[in-house]
Amino acid sequence: DAGVTQSPTHLIKTRGQQVTLRCSPISGHKSVSWYQQVLGQGPQFIFQYYEKEERGRGNFPDRFSARQFPNYSSELNVNALLLGDSALYLCASSFGGNNSPLHFGNGTRLTVT
Amino acid sequence: GEDVEQSLFLSVREGDSSVINCTYTDSSSTYLYWYKQEPGAGLQLLTYIFSNMDMKQDQRLTVLLNKKDKHLSLRIADTQTGDSAIYFCAEKLNAGGTSYGKLTFGQGTILTVHP
Repeated sequence: DAGVTQSPTHLIKTRGQQVTLRCSPISGHKSVSWYQQVLGQGPQFIFQYYEKEERGRGNFPDRFSARQFPNYSSELNVNALLLGDSALYLCASSFGGNNSPLHFGNGTRLTVT
Repeated sequence: GEDVEQSLFLSVREGDSSVINCTYTDSSSTYLYWYKQEPGAGLQLLTYIFSNMDMKQDQRLTVLLNKKDKHLSLRIADTQTGDSAIYFCAEKLNAGGTSYGKLTFGQGTILTVHP
């Protein structure tokens, strides 16, 4: 069975540009969460979506937005990119519910120059 | 508030046991997780434990939870060179029926296994 898939795997953008990252959850999973992992640190929670509704938001500026589609895939958008947005962006999926563990994809490595 | 702390480095010899420690601050944690991250890869779920359990064993992995001291540990028996990676512990809080996807991670422990 396919795991969580993310695209693209790597991306280079310039300051001020906009970027869209994509995630397909494991089949049957209805919840998708996004995390940012800066080099040398643990992942930081950005968003969670369940059944196409936002269910949680981390401490990130409004430049970050996301959505979930009817097929449960998700997109993360970041506007007006800053150098500090350079990171590994991880998507995780789960069935939803408190006892459902999160399964992560391999991430998208974003470099902002 | 939410805070998860881990020691940064651990070095062991192949065949020995590894013990990775983690402390957390929020007593409303419901589940605690261990993830493994290899270079250039995402996070691999290793195991997890519900907060009302003391211990969970899964093949070479043993998780111990001391809820009173808010201390979590992961023991890897017969450590192999392929176990070299970064190990993250993470807690999921009881968010009252919302935000099931939010985990708070520690900064990770770099495990190095020497032949």
